Amino acid sequence: DIQMTQSPSSLSASVGDRVTITCRASQTISNYLNWYQQKPGKAPKLLIYAASSLQSAVPPRFSGSGSGTDFTLTISSLQPEDFATYYCQQSYSIPRTFGQGTKVEIK
Amino acid sequence: QVTLKESGPVLVKPTETLTLTCTVSGFSLSNSRMGVSWIRQPPGKAPEWLAHIFSNDEKSYSTSLKSRLTISKDTSISQVVLMMTNMDPLDTATYYCARILRDSYGQYYFDYWGQGTLVTVSS
Repeated sequence: DIQMTQSPSSLSASVGDRVTITCRASQTISNYLNWYQQKPGKAPKLLIYAASSLQSAVPPRFSGSGSGTDFTLTISSLQPEDFATYYCQQSYSIPRTFGQGTKVEIK
Repeated sequence: QVTLKESGPVLVKPTETLTLTCTVSGFSLSNSRMGVSWIRQPPGKAPEWLAHIFSNDEKSYSTSLKSRLTISKDTSISQVVLMMTNMDPLDTATYYCARILRDSYGQYYFDYWGQGTLVTVSS
């Protein structure tokens, strides 16, 4: 199974900050990497697919990059509604696997 | 509009079999570009993929849970069913079904999710 490791596990940031979350795969996965946002009590929501493609209706302050084993999710200017937990997920092979999550909290 | 809704018991006893149903609308289970996955999330933990099924009846399962899982679908009534045998308190989690979109570049992603159903395993 491919292991997905996110860092940091949590971070504190202020509204307007630039935030970067990293995801590393245990083996190369090309660009088969997706990012999700989850708020308490809600299902995860797709933000980015294929490492860098923005899902429809997702604000352009979210962006993704990377290929191979190292990926990043960037929020260019953090908004109040962005405080949530973020997960990466690989779709390169079965079983699909998720990172452990990064919780973005208010500073 | 695409929706998925999970249904099933909220409480099961250890050793029992869990049966969950995902009823979809807004797309067809016969669409070759789409499938349905089951994903669970224990309280306070990350999501864990369990299984998926596609229109051609292609199925895949979690490595660690393969012996306990069965996924099936009934396209005529737009339902996907997951069965998990020999339930244990460690299987307590919110269980989600999600649509898989397979795009023209061979990418797969979960673009729509159900609201989830919390299943507690306890005697």
